[in-house]
Amino acid sequence: GDSVTQMEGPVTLSEEAFLTINCTYTATGYPSLFWYVQYPGEGLQLLLKATKADDKGSNKGFEATYRKETTSFHLEKGSVQVSDSAVYFCALILHASGGSYIPTFGRGTSLIVHP
Amino acid sequence: EAGVAQSPRYKIIEKRQSVAFWCNPISGHATLYWYQQILGQGPKLLIQFQNNGVVDDSQLPKDRFSAERLKGVDSTLKIQPAKLEDSAVYLCASSLVVGGGTEAFFGQGTRLTVV
Repeated sequence: GDSVTQMEGPVTLSEEAFLTINCTYTATGYPSLFWYVQYPGEGLQLLLKATKADDKGSNKGFEATYRKETTSFHLEKGSVQVSDSAVYFCALILHASGGSYIPTFGRGTSLIVHP
Repeated sequence: EAGVAQSPRYKIIEKRQSVAFWCNPISGHATLYWYQQILGQGPKLLIQFQNNGVVDDSQLPKDRFSAERLKGVDSTLKIQPAKLEDSAVYLCASSLVVGGGTEAFFGQGTRLTVV
């Protein structure tokens, strides 16, 4: 079945360091890809998305490029801040039979940024 | 714009008891999702509604879990009877329409502890 694999955390960085969180997927078809972020005590929020191959999603300094050839959607940020500390979830949505769109989430990667 | 509202925020029950969660989606959102998020894992879709009809409930343990969305607005998720392994955060989300690139907006979740 469809699945999303994220790198295990926690990822611990110093402020202003470069961030990469790896995400690869398995899907029968061409999914849309998402990154969600969950700050402590809050619900998930959409960070960015890409709906077709070679699209780049970006928001708040974060970027991710939809790479069909490597089935990847790695999240990057050039200079992290303490306020970026959160759990990041990679997700895909694929059109299923019967007209439904089934979302599949990765396990999440915790990011801890130290001053 | 008001977000997705869920209640209660926390619930502790004994195994074999019953529990119900409530969700009020964003006004005008036709699609409503219930997810189960076990500690350390990504959200797992339990059921998806389009208006008041079920689009997908393939991962809902129907022997103990039930959900309804009367009048296509609010929704309740019930567990009867609860088991220890049901301890998790139950997330409700809504989106404007069903679609591959459609963003879902999440509530803060209900943390259920079964003892």
